Amino acid sequence: DAGITQSPRHKVTETGTPVTLRCHQTENHRYMYWYRQDPGHGLRLIHYSYGVKDTDKGEVSDGYSVSRSKTEDFLLTLESATSSQTSVYFCATALRDGDATNEKLFFGSGTQLSVL
Amino acid sequence: QKEVEQNSGPLSVPEGAIASLNCTYSDRGSQSFFWYRQYSGKSPELIMFIYSNGDKEDGRFTAQLNKASQYVSLLIRDSQPSDSATYLCAVTLRFISNFGNEKLTFGTGTRLTIIP
Repeated sequence: DAGITQSPRHKVTETGTPVTLRCHQTENHRYMYWYRQDPGHGLRLIHYSYGVKDTDKGEVSDGYSVSRSKTEDFLLTLESATSSQTSVYFCATALRDGDATNEKLFFGSGTQLSVL
Repeated sequence: QKEVEQNSGPLSVPEGAIASLNCTYSDRGSQSFFWYRQYSGKSPELIMFIYSNGDKEDGRFTAQLNKASQYVSLLIRDSQPSDSATYLCAVTLRFISNFGNEKLTFGTGTRLTIIP
């Protein structure tokens, strides 16, 4: 299994506070992703990165920002948390080196975030 | 119209029977198709991927792809209680970005219950 660590595993915070979630990988995968998972919506892409300092928006990027200063780490920041951002957040990585078998995603264990 | 659609279930199947899970997608240009399994409270894990029309078998799992009809299915033979999980269909859809990356879009998942 890919070594992907998310921290924290659980977080309770108040509306209006900034929150940063961290994803750390030991697989040297080029691509990293942040998804959120909500009942009835499935997994939705927030932001992704295709290399150090190279990031792009996903379908639900409003209110979120990301940074990737080195290959191993991908940070997701909620600039001012709202109750609608209560969700389970998953980080994922992929090698995607042109070989079709390396398109698959490996997921971290997730972070349960509650915004009160 | 959702880009990737799955019946949310729950789908109940007797132990030992064949479980059939279906997924339809909207973009005819889709290239890669994945099935992820997600146990309750856990992260998704890849179980099958398929790129070409037809069937692909791996143990008790068979993925079927029909690009003309825009559907992909997953068959689980000799269903076991341990197969009880939510199954997520994922598809790479084309989108425009500076770097031409394709993103993976997930369906909302089908909850499968195997009845002993």
